[in-house]
Amino acid sequence: KAGVTQTPRYLIKTRGQQVTLSCSPISGHRSVSWYQQTPGQGLQFLFEYFSETQRNKGNFPGRFSGRQFSNSRSEMNVSTLELGDSALYLCASSLATFGELFFGEGSRLTVL
Amino acid sequence: DAKTTQPNSMESNEEEPVHLPCNHSTISGTDYIHWYRQLPSQGPEYVIHGLTSNVNNRMASLAIAEDRKSSTLILHRATLRDAAVYYCIENRDDKIIFGKGTRLHILP
Repeated sequence: KAGVTQTPRYLIKTRGQQVTLSCSPISGHRSVSWYQQTPGQGLQFLFEYFSETQRNKGNFPGRFSGRQFSNSRSEMNVSTLELGDSALYLCASSLATFGELFFGEGSRLTVL
Repeated sequence: DAKTTQPNSMESNEEEPVHLPCNHSTISGTDYIHWYRQLPSQGPEYVIHGLTSNVNNRMASLAIAEDRKSSTLILHRATLRDAAVYYCIENRDDKIIFGKGTRLHILP
C-alpha cells in the first residue's frame, strides 16, 4: 500500500512569507502528527490530529498551525517565516494516536 | 518534558550484536518506550516498542529494566543497512518526545 506522501519535497521562501505543507497519510490511518527536524534541536513534535481534531500540541509559537480534513489529509502552515524555521518538516500517520508511526520523507524548507 | 539520554554515537562490526542503551529517567508507569531509526535522507521508521516486558520482533529486541528507567535496543546481527540514527523516545501525555539519538556506525 502507498506510504505517507508529503508535498512539496523542497521549497525556498523568504523571511516574512508563509508556507503550507501537505501530508497524505496511509489509507485508513486517522492520526497525523507533524515534526520539525533541525541539526541543532533534533526532532521536535509540533502537533497531532485525529479525526480532524487537534489532540496534542508541542511547544511551538502560534505561527505554526495545522488542520486535518475529513479524508485524513493534513496541512501545516507557518506564517511570518523566520530564518530559524529552516528545517525538515516530517509528518507521520498511524492508526491510533501515537501507535506505530509511519513517516513520510519530509518537506525541506529553506528560509532566506 | 520527558527526557531521554543516549550516547551520541556507537560503532559495531558487521554481523555482530549491537546493544544501544537509553536512559529515560522521567518515565512514568504508563509511558511506552518506543524506538525508531532514521536512515540517511529518509524519515524515521518504527523499530520496536514496549511497556514493561522485554519485546522481540523481526527487526530487534527491546530489553526494559525492571525500574523502567532504562532500556536497551538489541540488534542481533548488525548489517551495513543498520547504519542509522536510533532514537529512544517516550510517549507521555500523548506527546512523542525524541531524544538526540545515537548514530550507529557499522564497520565492514
